[in-house]
Amino acid sequence: SQQGEEDPQALSIQEGENATMNCSYKTSINNLQWYRQNSGRGLVHLILIRSNEREKHSGRLRVTLDTSKKSSSLLITASRAADTASYFCATDVTGNQFYFGTGTSLTVIP
Amino acid sequence: SQTIHQWPATLVQPVGSPLSLECTVEGTSNPNLYWYRQAAGRGLQLLFYSVGIGQISSEVPQNLSASRPQDRQFILSSKKLLLSDSGFYLCAWSPLSRGAQYFGPGTRLLVL
Repeated sequence: SQQGEEDPQALSIQEGENATMNCSYKTSINNLQWYRQNSGRGLVHLILIRSNEREKHSGRLRVTLDTSKKSSSLLITASRAADTASYFCATDVTGNQFYFGTGTSLTVIP
Repeated sequence: SQTIHQWPATLVQPVGSPLSLECTVEGTSNPNLYWYRQAAGRGLQLLFYSVGIGQISSEVPQNLSASRPQDRQFILSSKKLLLSDSGFYLCAWSPLSRGAQYFGPGTRLLVL
């Protein structure tokens, strides 16, 4: 399977702390994307990092990509209760096919 | 701005009944369209994608089919539902290949 895997499966932190989640994948990619899903809802696109990029920032989000290790990390700084959600990485392999990981469930405790 | 619609939000169907889920996109032309299924507590599985009218690519053999009769309409169908078809079905669109995807609110299907 080309599906990625997120680690950890679940993460619980206090409000204000940083949250880091990791994604590993198996094949060469065009880009890697991170999404957030609130319970029972559709996914929301957070950030896209291309295969020739190593780091990208968007607000409180920082994404890194290491293509040699086939891994990515998502850092959420100064977490808020509203950040509580599941986070998924998705790899773009062919330009039209996206493979999602199993997700990290993040709980931010107020 | 672009909007994606999915309906119905929830559906309970008996085993063996047909299925039709519809997805429409507003505010864009020639989008790439996708159908995913998400089992409870799991990641998303890509079922079908389409880069144009009448062009459907299937990811996995299954009891489902997809059609794209119009540029911004994507339909997921089944002639006879199985218990294993239960899940959360998500439609998504992308403005171009290698771009971000934008998801609809999803349809929760329960087959009994």
